[in-house]
Amino acid sequence: EAQVTQNPRYLITVTGKKLTVTCSQNMNHEYMSWYRQDPGLGLRQIYYSMNVEVTDKGDVPEGYKVSRKEKRNFPLILESPSPNQTSLYFCASSRASGLSDTQYFGPGTRLTVL
Amino acid sequence: AQKITQTQPGMFVQEKEAVTLDCTYDTSDQSYGLFWYKQPSSGEMIFLIYQGSYDEQNATEGRYSLNFQKARKSANLVISASQLGDSAMYFCAMRDFTIQGGYQKVTFGIGTKLQVIP
Repeated sequence: EAQVTQNPRYLITVTGKKLTVTCSQNMNHEYMSWYRQDPGLGLRQIYYSMNVEVTDKGDVPEGYKVSRKEKRNFPLILESPSPNQTSLYFCASSRASGLSDTQYFGPGTRLTVL
Repeated sequence: AQKITQTQPGMFVQEKEAVTLDCTYDTSDQSYGLFWYKQPSSGEMIFLIYQGSYDEQNATEGRYSLNFQKARKSANLVISASQLGDSAMYFCAMRDFTIQGGYQKVTFGIGTKLQVIP
């Protein structure tokens, strides 16, 4: 089954404790992206990757890191989480052949930073 | 900068009626793609419909159609014959190239919450 998986689905942590949210896709997609969803703000792109070792900042990259060492994986790293990073996070993937490529979304990770 | 505007925070529609959800966009690119997604209360993001900037005909997918007016930079979603299961958040999104070229950025609107009334 074609899918994007994220782990963990729920996470409560404390300020400053480094964490990683994993994202994996089994569709051989080149394009992967992280979003955060906040009430009244919609989804905002954090980082995206066009392919292995090719990443770029989205609209809200501060406080986040990513890496793309393998095509299927695109982890999101919070080196020193703060309460304003409490949010619902989505990973998504798609082909990168054109603008019409539909993104497939993971189930989301709900993060709470105390 | 790329921007998507959805001005209707919430909408109500009677079951079996049609409803239009508004979306306007701003980009300096000539090539871009416009998407609509549905997010039910369970939280998953579901792709509904796509319209390319060079497509001359409005896109349709079952009960969903996209009213694309390029000169006005609008891409409104029309849902015909609303069903109770259509109650959800709806997001308009645009995919275009960044200034650097070759990189594809995606911008979402803030969403519209649709409630279908029996």
